[in-house]
Amino acid sequence: GQQVMQIPQYQHVQEGEDFTTYCNSSTTLSNIQWYKQRPGGHPVFLIQLVKSGEVKKQKRLTFQFGEAKKNSSLHITATQTTDVGTYFCAVPTGGFKTIFGAGTRLFVKA
Amino acid sequence: ETGVTQSPTHLIKTRGQQVTLRCSSQSGHNTVSWYQQALGQGPQFIFQYYREEENGRGNFPPRFSGLQFPNYSSELNVNALELDDSALYLCASSAGRLNTEAFFGQGTRLTVV
Repeated sequence: GQQVMQIPQYQHVQEGEDFTTYCNSSTTLSNIQWYKQRPGGHPVFLIQLVKSGEVKKQKRLTFQFGEAKKNSSLHITATQTTDVGTYFCAVPTGGFKTIFGAGTRLFVKA
Repeated sequence: ETGVTQSPTHLIKTRGQQVTLRCSSQSGHNTVSWYQQALGQGPQFIFQYYREEENGRGNFPPRFSGLQFPNYSSELNVNALELDDSALYLCASSAGRLNTEAFFGQGTRLTVV
């Protein structure tokens, strides 16, 4: 069945450093979503990418969808302590199901 | 706040018991999805309800069942609880059954002892 792999599993950065998480699918995707979950919290929707090669920015966050629509990345420029949490990609599968990646947990040291 | 509320927030049950978790969806949303999130893992899709009917199911046994009501609120029922059912159960509502933006509730932390 369809699988989605997210790397790295976790990353420690110094405040001000950049951070990137990657999501790779075994199949071509119709779209991909990104969510953030703060420690002890629930997932919060960040963005949805639909078009091949699409790049979207939200302040310090840059989201990219690969040309083949099989991979995606989330890049944070100059991390802040408020960026701490786990970042998940989520992809649709057949039959109205959604698969979440295992997530990348970001630790930011002040 | 997302407008999606779940109850209870925490629950302790004994192995073999049954549990019902509840979710009120955001106003205007007709689709509710349920997820199980084990510690340190990503949310695992259990099933989705659209206009009171189940229209998508993940790899969960039949003892996981659900309902959606005319007001689009939903219940998740789990029978014959097992220790491995201990997890955070998340409900997410959305405006449609296709892969649209989902608004999650704060979750119910279930512990099975």
